Amino acid sequence: EEQLVDSGGGLVQPGGSLRLACAASGFTFSGYWMSWVRQAPGKGLEWVANIKEDGSAKYYVDSVRGRFTISRDNAKNSLYLQMNSLRAEDTAVYYCAKDGAGYPVWGQGTLVTVSS
Amino acid sequence: ETVLTQSPGTLSLSPGERATLSCTASQSVTSNYLAWYQQKPGQAPRLLIYGASSRATGTPDRFSGSGSGTDFTLTINRLEPEDFAVYYCQQYGGLKTFGQGTKVEIK
Repeated sequence: EEQLVDSGGGLVQPGGSLRLACAASGFTFSGYWMSWVRQAPGKGLEWVANIKEDGSAKYYVDSVRGRFTISRDNAKNSLYLQMNSLRAEDTAVYYCAKDGAGYPVWGQGTLVTVSS
Repeated sequence: ETVLTQSPGTLSLSPGERATLSCTASQSVTSNYLAWYQQKPGQAPRLLIYGASSRATGTPDRFSGSGSGTDFTLTINRLEPEDFAVYYCQQYGGLKTFGQGTKVEIK
């Protein structure tokens, strides 16, 4: 069974940092683009970033570019999102997702709360 | 960036009725790379439709997608109790974007 498990969320002060992780299993992780998608409380879905199979290409939504960094470790079947200079508006559930025709596999999500 | 606008915002229907959800793109969606997702409270989204009209694995055949270019539709025939949820469209042809969602609620 293809599975993604998100972790690393928590409460952080404005201006702080947090690193999210996503552990993949049940498929050849190195063969797929991967994405992070977030959802603010009571709001819709927002694509955040994605990364090519070998990590050589990365794309970001304008609101996080320069503050967030997506990366991956294919040897560990893991995806990461380093989040710096966090703002209140970054508060959301963050999901990792396997790219394909749409997103056929999602993690369960991890909650990031930015508040003092 | 391609902006997706979903309508209506909320659809109030009874079990057994047909739901018609619309998704309009601000520019033509590359190769009809348009997906639909269902999300229930406290759960991750679930892929229903990809390529505008192809059902994902496990999607019941009462769900169908249609459209091309800038106008897309998700139709749910004979609503079942488990179909009441929020539905999102997404274009994945370039930088990926989602619509704002349509809530299908019990009338």
